[in-house]
Amino acid sequence: DQQVKQNSPSLSVQEGRISILNCDYTNSMFDYFLWYKKYPAEGPTFLISISSIKDKNEDGRFTVFLNKSAKHLSLHIVPSQPGDSAVYFCAATPGGANNLFFGTGTRLTVIP
Amino acid sequence: NAGVTQTPKFQVLKTGQSMTLQCAQDMNHEYMSWYRQDPGMGLRLIHYSVGAGITDQGEVPNGYNVSRSTTEDFPLRLLSAAPSQTSVYFCASFHLSRGRNTEAFFGQGTRLTVV
Repeated sequence: DQQVKQNSPSLSVQEGRISILNCDYTNSMFDYFLWYKKYPAEGPTFLISISSIKDKNEDGRFTVFLNKSAKHLSLHIVPSQPGDSAVYFCAATPGGANNLFFGTGTRLTVIP
Repeated sequence: NAGVTQTPKFQVLKTGQSMTLQCAQDMNHEYMSWYRQDPGMGLRLIHYSVGAGITDQGEVPNGYNVSRSTTEDFPLRLLSAAPSQTSVYFCASFHLSRGRNTEAFFGQGTRLTVV
């Protein structure tokens, strides 16, 4: 049973435009959320995170939004760059525990 | 700075063979874990450890054993490989801050094929 879902397997965006990647979760115990980026033949790398006490966190071109009532989070990349082309994984962890639960990933392609 | 090092990067096994995937980290992280990545499944937790001498099962532990004799090393053992274990395996380590994990650092992965 997938507790973290990324329903869009792929997304294509023009360079310079906004990329919006979505993630839904079912476990109301999740209180910390992370996004990872993965290039082919490499391990995932941490991108940005958000605690459930916040609804927004920014880091440069990357912003994560959390809507707890909808159990939904999104990652915005503005402006998108060709180097952002990768697979993006959403992950979540429940309070008091340390295991990460991952979504299935969204492959982002930024077209020059 | 090495971070998380996994070996080997590629491996082909015959059904029934055994092998150990190695993982080492040099960041003095308490928490280490093994994931497998399969198409359409994301990353699924196999086993994890919150410190030397302590291990526990994740979502998909069957067919795998782990041990944690030192903080640095967390090997994953396949005792009798099966084709269903064909996957890409990632080791990750975390620093625990106030009992919570922080960002995970991943190794580069081991692509395992069982024929």
